[in-house]
Amino acid sequence: AQKITQTQPGMFVQEKEAVTLDCTYDTSDPSYGLFWYKQPSSGEMIFLIYQGSYDQQNATEGRYSLNFQKARKSANLVISASQLGDSAMYFCAMREGYNFNKFYFGSGTKLNVKP
Amino acid sequence: DAGITQSPRYKITETGRQVTLMCHQTWSHSYMFWYRQDLGHGLRLIYYSAAADITDKGEVPDGYVVSRSKTENFPLTLESATRSQTSVYFCASSELGHSYNEQFFGPGTRLTVL
Repeated sequence: AQKITQTQPGMFVQEKEAVTLDCTYDTSDPSYGLFWYKQPSSGEMIFLIYQGSYDQQNATEGRYSLNFQKARKSANLVISASQLGDSAMYFCAMREGYNFNKFYFGSGTKLNVKP
Repeated sequence: DAGITQSPRYKITETGRQVTLMCHQTWSHSYMFWYRQDLGHGLRLIYYSAAADITDKGEVPDGYVVSRSKTENFPLTLESATRSQTSVYFCASSELGHSYNEQFFGPGTRLTVL
């Protein structure tokens, strides 16, 4: 079974609008961490936001917020006020427990921001 | 502050040849990782290392060899390259207890095996 599922291969959003990128995960470990990374066309992976399994509040980092629904095992990324520079691939990832060898990435969502 | 660097950035080789991809980090992070990125698969862990001289397999280790004699370096060797190893390879590092334990990635190496 897939550990991380991103069901949106590609998405479009109008500049200045908000967009939600979906991510569901699968684990039986009560301790885990969820990450979102951005990969622009230049190729580097940029860490955006983190949510721990025991965190009570949804994580926020500037225009990024993580909609964490533990019972549904979802960790959607919300980007508010989209900018042209947000056009990129976005990857959801999970670390199971505190094992660095159990770090799984989804297949990614390509976001295109339209002017 | 160089962070994490990879070399070469681009490599073309032939089937059966040995290829080594280099990874160097300046943060003295304990953990280092090698991933490959293929369309439709996201990133998949090849090998990781918890410290110098400690390495372990990830999800897709077959056909690869790693070593880590120094904390800052983590080379990945394809002993006999195959076409299925054509991919983009990312090195990453992390430190347990640092911030969110997130991984910091190098710029990637695009490898083509003909």
